[in-house]
Amino acid sequence: DAKTTQPPSMDCAEGRAANLPCNHSTISGNEYVYWYRQIHSQGPQYIIHGLKNNETNEMASLIITEDRKSSTLILPHATLRDTAVYYCIVRPSNFGNEKLTFGTGTRLTIIP
Amino acid sequence: NAGVTQTPKFQVLKTGQSMTLQCAQDMNHNSMYWYRQDPGMGLRLIYYSASEGTTDKGEVPNGYNVSRLNKREFSLRLESAAPSQTSVYFCASSAYAGQARGYTFGSGTRLTVV
Repeated sequence: DAKTTQPPSMDCAEGRAANLPCNHSTISGNEYVYWYRQIHSQGPQYIIHGLKNNETNEMASLIITEDRKSSTLILPHATLRDTAVYYCIVRPSNFGNEKLTFGTGTRLTIIP
Repeated sequence: NAGVTQTPKFQVLKTGQSMTLQCAQDMNHNSMYWYRQDPGMGLRLIYYSASEGTTDKGEVPNGYNVSRLNKREFSLRLESAAPSQTSVYFCASSAYAGQARGYTFGSGTRLTVV
C-alpha cells in the first residue's frame, strides 16, 4: 500500500472550514484514498473515500489533485465535536487485501 | 442495534496471567478484526477473520491467539500477558473482507499489564 504523510496537528476555529492535507506521492492507479477519524480514543469512524474525482457526503468533502499525489479532506463548518485524530489511508478497494493500515494521523483541534 | 460490542472495557493483569477479550457484532458481517493501539500510535492489525471458520495473522500476532466462535463472535486471547501488551484493543467488523469503507469499530478494551 502507498505511504501517506499528514501534519501531526492542526487547529481550526469553530464554524470555519477545516482543511486537512494528505500527501500520497507514491499512490498507484488502482489505489483509493480513504479517511477515517478517531474521537477521543473511541474506535475509528469511516468518513469518506475517493479514487480520482472529488467526493462529498453528509460529513465531508474530499478533493484529490489531478495527479493524485495529494488530497484534502474538508469539514465545511467545523464544530467542537469534530476534534479528533484524522487518518488518511491509501489502498486498493478490492476484496482480499486485509490490512487497513493506520498511520499516526493529524490531530485536529477545533477552537471555540 | 449495538454494532460491535467489546468486553471488558478495562482490565489490569499481572505479568504471566492469561485472559480473553470478547467481541461480538450484530450486523451479520462476514469479516472481523483485532487491532491494538499504543499511546500516540496508529492502529496495528493483530489477527483477522475473513469469514466464519478462517483466521489469519496480521502485522503483530506474536503473543496472541484468536477464535472465530461463530459468525457473530471473535475472541482474542493472551496466554501469558507481558507489559509490552499494555495497549488499547479494538475489534472491528466489515461486511466483506477488505471492504475498507465499511469497517465498524467497537469502543475498545483498555488493558494494562503490570
